[in-house]
Amino acid sequence: GAVVSQHPSRVICKSGTSVKIECRSLDFQATTMFWYRQFPKQSLMLMATSNEGSKATYEQGVEKDKFLINHASLTLSTLTVTSAHPEDSSFYICSASGRADTQYFGPGTRLTVL
Amino acid sequence: KQEVTQIPAALSVPEGENLVLNCSFTDSAIYNLQWFRQDPGKGLTSLLLIQSSQREQTSGRLNASLDKSSGRSTLYIAASQPGDSATYLCAVKDSGYALNFGKGTSLLVTP
Repeated sequence: GAVVSQHPSRVICKSGTSVKIECRSLDFQATTMFWYRQFPKQSLMLMATSNEGSKATYEQGVEKDKFLINHASLTLSTLTVTSAHPEDSSFYICSASGRADTQYFGPGTRLTVL
Repeated sequence: KQEVTQIPAALSVPEGENLVLNCSFTDSAIYNLQWFRQDPGKGLTSLLLIQSSQREQTSGRLNASLDKSSGRSTLYIAASQPGDSATYLCAVKDSGYALNFGKGTSLLVTP
């Protein structure tokens, strides 16, 4: 149990385009989902926290207009990187938390912006 | 703001050795501490979770200890195997929902 999936696992896009990443909790209802970003040899940095049906809470320094987060249901959250640039290239990982407050992590999405 | 530091950044050992990975954190008012494993280009696998009231947790060849007052945790791996090669991440949860991660220790176990 407690499986979280992400799609796509890899995406390559041109600079200026928008990319959507999906995070799904497959066998439990996730009241809260988290989006992290990880640069090479760096730690995971929390970008934002989203609760189902509410606006996401963004960490300091994360542009909410650039990283659009939607948590429309208890099993799906999406992160859209708008007008992506090469510096947005990174590994994006989501996690989902249900009632037990434990976070279950997805397999991550590698974004490369050319 | 909670800061988590992991030492060493990288470690290479021959198969069969016992080893210790270190994690320190600046704010001792934590809710729990968790150790994860991350394989290259992959997500996170939770290894051990220690609640703030606990001193240690064990799972197979892994043992994690927590000294909250000194802001330290260690992950002990017994009889290391090549399959243990991965990056090990320490994460601290304080009063909020967020996990604060260290940069990780990259472990290579050679046959």
